[in-house]
Amino acid sequence: DTEVTQTPKHLVMGMTNKKSLKCEQHMGHRAMYWYKQKAKKPPELMFVYSYEKLSINESVPSRFSPECPNSSLLNLHLHALQPEDSALYLCASSQVSGNSNQPQHFGDGTRLSIL
Amino acid sequence: GESVGLHLPTLSVQEGDNSIINCAYSNSASDYFIWYKQESGKGPQFIIDIRSNMDKRQGQRVTVLLNKTVKHLSLQIAATQPGDSAVYFCAENAGNMLTFGGGTRLMVKP
Repeated sequence: DTEVTQTPKHLVMGMTNKKSLKCEQHMGHRAMYWYKQKAKKPPELMFVYSYEKLSINESVPSRFSPECPNSSLLNLHLHALQPEDSALYLCASSQVSGNSNQPQHFGDGTRLSIL
Repeated sequence: GESVGLHLPTLSVQEGDNSIINCAYSNSASDYFIWYKQESGKGPQFIIDIRSNMDKRQGQRVTVLLNKTVKHLSLQIAATQPGDSAVYFCAENAGNMLTFGGGTRLMVKP
């Protein structure tokens, strides 16, 4: 079982809905990440939070809005999504590495379908 | 091998044989490399990592080799088992940003 927990596992929503994806870790990691993964493709980085502050936004459309309420939680708020946003959304966490890199640990993702 | 496209490259091996999965990376500034295993319906699972000051690292049944001269990474799995069937991704890290390679599907024949 993964130590990064994502909910819900599956989500179907219409293009006008507002929903949120949630991610939780209790490993004491202070870096958290959102990735998007399409079928048969590698994960692509969306956002990086370090010490609860957004440090990287990989030119993600504003219909995706991340939030890091505390060091254990990471949310991704969704609004007015498009059918091409259907994908697996993965959350990951890691120690903040400084000069010593640390592996990222992934949850099992939320499978999102936009109708 | 590694390819970004509609179809994942596939490596098919007999159970008990050794597997070698290759990956080419692009960023000379990358200083840390990770291999992940992704099973159907799951997130990527950490297998083994290697820092750029090393050229080989061994784990349990797995070995990672790094050739910085040609920017090449490989994962060797000894005595491959049916449970090893999955998609394997290499990932390069530069400045806390992880970039994944295209992935290779490993199929283990009983």
